[in-house]
Amino acid sequence: AQSVTQLDSQVPVFEEAPVELRCNYSSSVSVYLFWYVQYPNQGLQLLLKYLSGSTLVKGINGFEAEFNKSQTSFHLRKPSVHISDTAEYFCAVSAVGGGSNYKLTFGKGTLLTVNP
Amino acid sequence: GAVVSQHPSRVICKSGTSVKIECRSLDFQATTMFWYRQFPKQSLMLMATSNEGSKATYEQGVEKDKFLINHASLTLSTLTVTSAHPEDSSFYICSASKGSGNTIYFGEGSWLTVV
Repeated sequence: AQSVTQLDSQVPVFEEAPVELRCNYSSSVSVYLFWYVQYPNQGLQLLLKYLSGSTLVKGINGFEAEFNKSQTSFHLRKPSVHISDTAEYFCAVSAVGGGSNYKLTFGKGTLLTVNP
Repeated sequence: GAVVSQHPSRVICKSGTSVKIECRSLDFQATTMFWYRQFPKQSLMLMATSNEGSKATYEQGVEKDKFLINHASLTLSTLTVTSAHPEDSSFYICSASKGSGNTIYFGEGSWLTVV
């Protein structure tokens, strides 16, 4: 089984400031890693994913994340945030292999609030 | 890009009645779809895995007889909440995989309010 810990439930930042949303995971098998964004009353949109290869992954809207296997982390970063980035961000993992490839385990989410 | 659509987006039903939520993959075939439940300001909890042409696989603690899942075709899965109670009120989200690149697409979600 997998588990995901998002260390910050809320992160307030000012516009144009950098931000890092932290995510740590636990798993006895190899995993794929994902970050999703959820705007109010909407479904989830994929920001980026790590499957293999380069540990630095670039996603949409200027976000990037770095997979650190030794620290079992997959922190999300953006060098300069906009008001429109205000949303809930979810880190998720799925086990590699077998039929569970698409079965996601989510963290509790981090509410990013960008203030003017 | 791939699109997953849910209907209805919002539904209000009376306690004791049943309500059906549809999840459609609009431009691809999905042999497997997933149903999640999300309580306000909380994370998504996987309820069940919906497999086309076979029975759904439910997560521990999810009542099979209460949350009926039918995956009738490669583009449609339905979740029926039977004998709904106010505690079933929640945001229900489905997802589907296109089968390549391990990309999972989510629907817009459906708000269920049981009164």
